Amino acid sequence: ETGVTQSPTHLIKTRGQQVTLRCSSQSGHNTVSWYQQALGQGPQFIFQYYREEENGRGNFPPRFSGLQFPNYSSELNVNALELDDSALYLCASSFWVAGVNEQFFGPGTRLTVL
Amino acid sequence: AQTVTQSQPEMSVQEAETVTLSCTYDTSESDYYLFWYKQPPSRQMILVIRQEAYKQQNATENRFSVNFQKAAKSFSLKISDSQLGDAAMYFCAYRRTNTGNQFYFGTGTSLTVIP
Repeated sequence: ETGVTQSPTHLIKTRGQQVTLRCSSQSGHNTVSWYQQALGQGPQFIFQYYREEENGRGNFPPRFSGLQFPNYSSELNVNALELDDSALYLCASSFWVAGVNEQFFGPGTRLTVL
Repeated sequence: AQTVTQSQPEMSVQEAETVTLSCTYDTSESDYYLFWYKQPPSRQMILVIRQEAYKQQNATENRFSVNFQKAAKSFSLKISDSQLGDAAMYFCAYRRTNTGNQFYFGTGTSLTVIP
């Protein structure tokens, strides 16, 4: 166990809907990252939050947004869902300082868009 | 842009034997970090081993070791004395220095351990 939890485990939505995925980081971790893992692929970086501000973004459109809260929880919001958004969404947290920071992953949320 | 390539979608190994998983990457940076992550069927990604590019010595963690060839941009993972619990997807990942947790992952290698 990594101490990082995600909810829900599975989710089914229809195209055009909005979805919110949640992540609870380890206590003290100031950085959370979100990844999208399509079936048979490696995780793709969506964005990162450091001390509640977005601090790095991958090649994802603005309809992917996030929040990080002081209580070590965070959210990933996706608007106007598309079929290609079907994937496993992973969050990862760490206490970031300069240098190597071990990143702890959650178990993921499996999102299916119909 | 950084890319990470794992050319072996699937590998298998007999229990107690040794297996090597391959990874190559492309970068113009001189300082960076490389990682191997394990994703068991339960899906929670776990760090196996990491290597700092400025270190010439190959990293080792118990039965896991890497062969880091910086000039060739190659980073392979060797698993010795394979165990049934080693069966999982293995992802190679790259991270630039001081960019927080923006990792670039390969497409993974599915490792089967045969009893």
